[in-house]
Amino acid sequence: EAGVAQSPRYKIIEKRQSVAFWCNPISGHATLYWYQQILGQGPKLLIQFQNNGVVDDSQLPKDRFSAERLKGVDSTLKIQPAKLEDSAVYLCASSSTAGGRETQYFGPGTRLLVL
Amino acid sequence: KQEVTQIPAALSVPEGENLVLNCSFTDSAIYNLQWFRQDPGKGLTSLLLIQSSQREQTSGRLNASLDKSSGRSTLYIAASQPGDSATYLCAAPPGAGSYQLTFGKGTKLSVIP
Repeated sequence: EAGVAQSPRYKIIEKRQSVAFWCNPISGHATLYWYQQILGQGPKLLIQFQNNGVVDDSQLPKDRFSAERLKGVDSTLKIQPAKLEDSAVYLCASSSTAGGRETQYFGPGTRLLVL
Repeated sequence: KQEVTQIPAALSVPEGENLVLNCSFTDSAIYNLQWFRQDPGKGLTSLLLIQSSQREQTSGRLNASLDKSSGRSTLYIAASQPGDSATYLCAAPPGAGSYQLTFGKGTKLSVIP
């Protein structure tokens, strides 16, 4: 079974530029999450999708961040314009729920550096 | 709002030693608690998931316990090896009715050969 795929793996941009990250979840997983992990911190949830609908985006800075999952499979996360404090690893996870138990599977992440 | 705290932030032990990592959480109305491992430059790998009805879960040299009443979980690693060096993260849902995860900051473990 293929895991969660993310690209690019690394990205360096200057502040005020735009950047987009892509995630391909495990086949059949209806739930998809985007997390932001700043160096030395645990991952923080940005947005949760169920199929192509948003379940929770309360922690997404909507003035600069946007995310979509148009066909309920792949997802993109965009930052426009980027700030220095957006430097972090962006992790995508997908999950399935079986027997009332959910297991999240994480991709390798995209490491973003904003200069 | 769930808050997860992990201590210590870093730990260095000689190879072969047994060790315990600690995790505390504020909202005990959780479905489960998970321990993850994160290697540098890599994503997270789930190690153990303890359901709220369980008190502990074991996988190989790893044993995780859960005490909901006190809001605590521990990860016990027996006979540590250099390959165990990584950051260990504890994560809990933000209370009943949610599978979202709130993570602690992690414990960075170094096992010295």
